[in-house]
Amino acid sequence: DAGVIQSPRHEVTEMGQEVTLRCKPISGHNSLFWYRQTMMRGLELLIYFNNNVPIDDSGMPEDRFSAKMPNASFSTLKIQPSEPRDSAVYFCASTPGGGGGEQYFGPGTRLTVT
Amino acid sequence: KNQVEQSPQSLIILEGKNCTLQCNYTVSPFSNLRWYKQDTGRGPVSLTIMTFSENTKSNGRYTATLDADTKQSSLHITASQLSDSASYICVVSRGGYQLIWGAGTKLIIKP
Repeated sequence: DAGVIQSPRHEVTEMGQEVTLRCKPISGHNSLFWYRQTMMRGLELLIYFNNNVPIDDSGMPEDRFSAKMPNASFSTLKIQPSEPRDSAVYFCASTPGGGGGEQYFGPGTRLTVT
Repeated sequence: KNQVEQSPQSLIILEGKNCTLQCNYTVSPFSNLRWYKQDTGRGPVSLTIMTFSENTKSNGRYTATLDADTKQSSLHITASQLSDSASYICVVSRGGYQLIWGAGTKLIIKP
């Protein structure tokens, strides 16, 4: 079975540009998470979806960040406009059920904003 | 404040040696404690999940312990291999989707 799929794997963009990160969770998993990882802050939960509905977006840094899950097999995280401090590795993870189970992580997208 | 602290921050050992990584937490409520392994350039992968009543849990050469009274956990790696070089992250669940992540211990295995 394919694991969590993320694209692109690497993204380099200039400050002010729009960035869209994509995630395909494991088939049958009801819960999806977006995380950001930096050396300074470690792993931070940005947003949690259950059955395609955003349950907790309290970790989204500011209005420049938005996330959608239009169906059970696809989610996007958008940053508009991007800033250098957004540079990080963004992970998507999924789990079956209500979100409390083992989380399966994708390979991540390394974002660099210059 | 809900916190997970790990020590040491980094560790270098020779291949074949054993090592133990530590995790102290102040998280309430407590649901379970997890150890993840994160290879460079990859997402974290779950090693173990331990509930309140479990003291020890093994996964191959990895053995995790949990002392819920002192709020401490350890991850012991036996007969280390070069492939064990990674970051090891301790995570405490408050229940449901709420996880408190530690900063991780970076382990380097030298031949």
